Amino acid sequence: GAVVSQHPSWVICKSGTSVKIECRSLDFQATTMFWYRQFPKQSLMLMATSNEGSKATYEQGVEKDKFLINHASLTLSTLTVTSAHPEDSSFYICSAKSMVGYEQYFGPGTRLTVT
Amino acid sequence: GQQLNQSPQSMFIQEGEDVSMNCTSSSIFNTWLWYKQDPGEGPVLLIALYKAGELTSNGRLTAQFGITRKDSFLNISASIPSDVGIYFCAGQYGGATNKLIFGTGTLLAVQP
Repeated sequence: GAVVSQHPSWVICKSGTSVKIECRSLDFQATTMFWYRQFPKQSLMLMATSNEGSKATYEQGVEKDKFLINHASLTLSTLTVTSAHPEDSSFYICSAKSMVGYEQYFGPGTRLTVT
Repeated sequence: GQQLNQSPQSMFIQEGEDVSMNCTSSSIFNTWLWYKQDPGEGPVLLIALYKAGELTSNGRLTAQFGITRKDSFLNISASIPSDVGIYFCAGQYGGATNKLIFGTGTLLAVQP
């Protein structure tokens, strides 16, 4: 149980285009989902917290107009990287928190490469 | 963004050896967690600690929640090749946010 999926697992896009990444909780309902970014050989850095039906809360230094987050249902959150640039290339990981308990369950990550 | 100090940064050991790594913070956390991440994968939870002083085991892994609530350690006994990976600690403030703050990571390499 407690499985989180991400789609796509990897994506290559051209500079200036937008990319959407999906995060789904497959067997539980998630009131809260989190988006992290991980650069090579570095730790996970929290980008934003999204609660179902409300606006996401972004961490300091994360551009909310560039990283659009939508948490439209209790099982789906999306991260859209708008007007992507090569410096946005990274490993994006989501996690979902069940309505019961405190644990966050992590997705397998999405590798974004912007050329 | 905020990160926790984790040490050592990397470890290269022989199979069968015990391993110890720790994490320190300037902030107090309600929960400490330890994760393992394999290349190209998301982190997987190993152990969760909920009370100061708590000592919890999961197979060959043992972790403790420091008394001051500002630190935690993870021990791996009798390491095996599949223990290879990056280990991250994470602190959780609790309350309404449930945000996780991750440590800088410890790369573990195990030579058969």
